[in-house]
Amino acid sequence: GAGVSQTPSNKVTEKGKYVELRCDPISGHTALYWYRQSLGQGPEFLIYFQGTGAADDSGLPNDRFFAVRPEGSVSTLKIQRTERGDSAVYLCASSFSGSGSPYNEQFFGPGTRLTVL
Amino acid sequence: GDSVTQMEGPVTLSEEAFLTINCTYTATGYPSLFWYVQYPGEGLQLLLKATKADDKGSNKGFEATYRKETTSFHLEKGSVQVSDSAVYFCALSKAAGNKLTFGGGTRVLVKP
Repeated sequence: GAGVSQTPSNKVTEKGKYVELRCDPISGHTALYWYRQSLGQGPEFLIYFQGTGAADDSGLPNDRFFAVRPEGSVSTLKIQRTERGDSAVYLCASSFSGSGSPYNEQFFGPGTRLTVL
Repeated sequence: GDSVTQMEGPVTLSEEAFLTINCTYTATGYPSLFWYVQYPGEGLQLLLKATKADDKGSNKGFEATYRKETTSFHLEKGSVQVSDSAVYFCALSKAAGNKLTFGGGTRVLVKP
């Protein structure tokens, strides 16, 4: 079946602009995660959705970052007033359920490479 | 907060050599531990996992044992192939929410 997809694959924007990054999770997966991976580093957690609600947004760096998942499927990560330091690969992952144990494997998308000039 | 530390790369070795990538963690409670792999041009994939102390995760010839006494989860493979060239990430998660905390990644290059 189809995996996690992310669009666009690449996004180049200018400092101060607004961008939206889209994630289509695996069908039926209730949990959705956003991570940010800077060059040469490991991914860093941003936000986690269980269904439509943000269950944990503790990783969002500041109020310029916002994410939604209005129907419990597709999610959009929104970044306002972009800064050069926002340049990174933004990864989306989904899993069947984000709660409890045992661990439910997260399946990652290919990422969106964001470059802020 | 929780953190994962893994050896810096790049690690360059010849085909059929023995590979070890060290990983240690700091976390409260009893996290689950993982190794993810990112092959060139591909997305992150789960390689193996262990959910409690002394568990051994294994896949594709790779192994790692959850050592709570040393807070470690070192990755090993006895005989690497060129196709094992990739970036390897150690990670942990807690049960609630399952968000992953990653190490910085170790690039491995296997030469024929």
